[in-house]
Formats: sequence, structure tokens, C-alpha cells
Amino acid sequence: QSVLTQPPSVSGAPGQRVTISCTGSSSNIGAGYDVHWYQQLPGTAPKLLIYGNSNRPSGVPDRFSGSKSGTSASLAITGLQAEDEADYYCQSYDSSVVVFGGGTKLTVL
Amino acid sequence: EVQLVESGGGLVKPGGSLRLSCAASGFTFSSYSMNWVRQAPGKGLEWVSSISSSSSYIYYADSVKGRFTISRDNAKNSLYLQMNSLRAEDTAVYYCVPGGVEDAFDIWGQGTMVTVSS
Repeated sequence: QSVLTQPPSVSGAPGQRVTISCTGSSSNIGAGYDVHWYQQLPGTAPKLLIYGNSNRPSGVPDRFSGSKSGTSASLAITGLQAEDEADYYCQSYDSSVVVFGGGTKLTVL
Repeated sequence: EVQLVESGGGLVKPGGSLRLSCAASGFTFSSYSMNWVRQAPGKGLEWVSSISSSSSYIYYADSVKGRFTISRDNAKNSLYLQMNSLRAEDTAVYYCVPGGVEDAFDIWGQGTMVTVSS
């Protein structure tokens, strides 16, 4: 059972917009700690997608955006493309430990 | 170019021990906190342990506390994870990752596979 809760799967057709939620609590996201997002393609190491709730590292397309409100955060992907099919993870901090969400598998239909 | 090369993984029997190493290059290793993050086959990411730049602060996940020991050698730009009393559930790819416990992890190595099986 992960400290941060993500839906196991989401799906969307090419060109559509999808969102992935990350629900925490008052001891992590709700306490004001940043949320970071990762994309993991099959057989590869995770790649940082969003840091500090809503910031994109250099090279990440602006189709990817992050937001945070209260005890939750969201990752939005617009203009869905086939290459976006991957696993996505959120990360935050809670009581001296790093916490990850359980991961969400995005399927592009 | 920033590089992280993990090594030391392999097949070990339950109850056995293994020591993982991570060789870092391309950045000022001694200025960064470091972490071990693992991923069991077909499962999600799990943070294992963190050590501050001067080794003053060390943190562990409950799942490994008392069994694993993180350490570093700044003179050798190296991070280590001593794993004792290994269990089947420790089977995973282990990644070493720079950053503090509140930071985003923007650099990942290729990982090293640890398999605990009789």
C-alpha cells in the first residue's frame, strides 16, 4: 500500500488529454512538500518529467504539466501521442522518508 | 557528462548478504545527498535509503531498517549499500540517485539487479 495513491491505469486516444491523480495526506502533499513526476518506458530507468509540482526540466514537451492542490497533485498530458504510453509515478516527502505513488500505466488507444 | 554506474548485484540465497556500489562521475559527488531506490520486477518504485553529503544524516525505509546500511566514500566518488539478511521481497533493480529526500531525482543510473532466491 503506497503512501501516495495513483490510479493503476488510465487510457486515451491520440490527441486527447488525460490526467493522472496522486492523492496524499496532511503529512506529505498537504504539508506543503513538493510533488515530482516520473515517466518510465518499458525496460528503462525512470525519467524526471515534472519537478516542484509544476516545473518541466529542459527537453520535456509542454504537453506535460503538473499541478497541486490541498492533499493531491495531478499530471496532465495533452495531445496524447503513442510514445507517451508508459508508467508514471508521483513522488513526495513524508516524515524523513521519500514516498512514491504506486504508479499509473498509461495506454494510448 | 554525469554518470552513475551501479554494480554488485547478483543471485543470493535468502538470509545472505550483498554489497552494492555506485560509481559517480561528472558532478561534485561530495556536495550531494545520495539515495538508493529499488524496483521489484513488474512493480513500482520504492525508496530504500538516503545519506547526506557528509554522511551526517542517514534515513531508511521501514522495510530495510536494521538489515541494510548505506555509506559513501567522497574521496572515491562512491556510494554503497550493504544488504544483510536478504529476503525474497528484496529482489529488485537497485538504482543510485543523487538528491535530498525532498528533491526531484533527475539523474538515474542503469541499475543493478539483485535476486534473492534459493
